[in-house]
Amino acid sequence: DAKTTQPTSMDCAEGRAANLPCNHSTISGNEYVYWYRQIHSQGPQYIIHGLKNNETNEMASLIITEDRKSSTLILPHATLRDTAVYYCIVRVPSTSGTYKYIFGTGTRLKVLA
Amino acid sequence: NAGVTQTPKFRILKIGQSMTLQCTQDMNHNYMYWYRQDPGMGLKLIYYSVGAGITDKGEVPNGYNVSRSTTEDFPLRLELAAPSQTSVYFCASLRAPTGELFFGEGSRLTVL
Repeated sequence: DAKTTQPTSMDCAEGRAANLPCNHSTISGNEYVYWYRQIHSQGPQYIIHGLKNNETNEMASLIITEDRKSSTLILPHATLRDTAVYYCIVRVPSTSGTYKYIFGTGTRLKVLA
Repeated sequence: NAGVTQTPKFRILKIGQSMTLQCTQDMNHNYMYWYRQDPGMGLKLIYYSVGAGITDKGEVPNGYNVSRSTTEDFPLRLELAAPSQTSVYFCASLRAPTGELFFGEGSRLTVL
């Protein structure tokens, strides 16, 4: 299974862009990159996903390198409510016909006032 | 829609006891998952299911069993509880077209 590597923690000033990196050097050609976040002890929340093109939605932007070995999640204007653990996940096809989402330990982002 | 509902939210078990964590979803999703999260750690996949009658093991299935008799329900059974099973358990269902997982609020289990 593809694995991801993320920094353990990051700080970001409120109102600034938060750039969260992720390495997934063993990713295969048909495996998507997903980002989730977990606020306190709640269930993780979906943010964005992509295959090889850059993606943007109302929450964030996802930049994937051309070789697909790494990606960056961008929160354009971080707020205090964005303080959370952010997980970068590579979705892996399973033999059962569905997908496995293997979580790593994530990046703990702290947005500072 | 209630989304994914887990019960109970909290439970304390004695070593050797058994219990079932309930999970139900009202979104008609075929794919469902059980994860556990130990303090300060990421989520570990226990079991998953592609539909009624079909389940498969994840990363850490030992000590657990699942069943899937309906699309809505995906209970997780703990047999002979051990302190190592103290964790927060999350159930999730998958919206297939986007691949978005919807999580429940979690069930916090302590085994003493």
